[in-house]
Amino acid sequence: SQELEQSPQSLIVQEGKNLTINCTSSKTLYGLYWYKQKYGEGLIFLMMLQKGGEEKSHEKITAKLDEKKQQSSLHITASQPSHAGIYLCGATAGGFGNEKLTFGTGTRLTIIP
Amino acid sequence: EAGVTQFPSHSVIEKGQTVTLRCDPISGHDNLYWYRRVMGKEIKFLLHFVKESKQDESGMPNNRFLAERTGGTYSTLKVQPAELEDSGVYFCASSQDLGVAVNEQFFGPGTRLTVL
Repeated sequence: SQELEQSPQSLIVQEGKNLTINCTSSKTLYGLYWYKQKYGEGLIFLMMLQKGGEEKSHEKITAKLDEKKQQSSLHITASQPSHAGIYLCGATAGGFGNEKLTFGTGTRLTIIP
Repeated sequence: EAGVTQFPSHSVIEKGQTVTLRCDPISGHDNLYWYRRVMGKEIKFLLHFVKESKQDESGMPNNRFLAERTGGTYSTLKVQPAELEDSGVYFCASSQDLGVAVNEQFFGPGTRLTVL
């Protein structure tokens, strides 16, 4: 079965600083998702990557998938308190009929004013 | 447009009792998924419905768990009898069938289940 490792497990960053969260798979990824969760809330979809070398950005968050499709990074530029939460990477192992997500353990991000 | 909703938000029960969790997916979403996170562990897949049919139930831990989706709309997940290790947060997600292999899954807020 596919396993996802996230690093770091927790991150404390001063407001305004940049940060990077990594997600590494034991197998080639088919679809890689990034979600954010705040306490008591569901998972908020951030981005999905599917092609090797793909990069997507939304506001101050950029996600990349390496060429081999086994590693993804999430980069936040000029962090803000609103970025605090738990970031989760999730992956699908295949296409039609095989869409269940496998998740990493998450990265808890704290932003210090 | 309403998102995925789950009820209840919290449930505290005693070992041996029965609990039923409910998920209302986004209207028109044929795919419905159940996931759960137990303390300290990653979120794990439980099962996947396509309309009213179980597409994949490989993640269901044992026969104390029963999921239904009658009529292909809302779904229920019943745990009977509940055990201590069933404690955790149960998430529901739904997605449209857009005819592509990878569809965005929209998650509900989860139900926090505590078994004492």
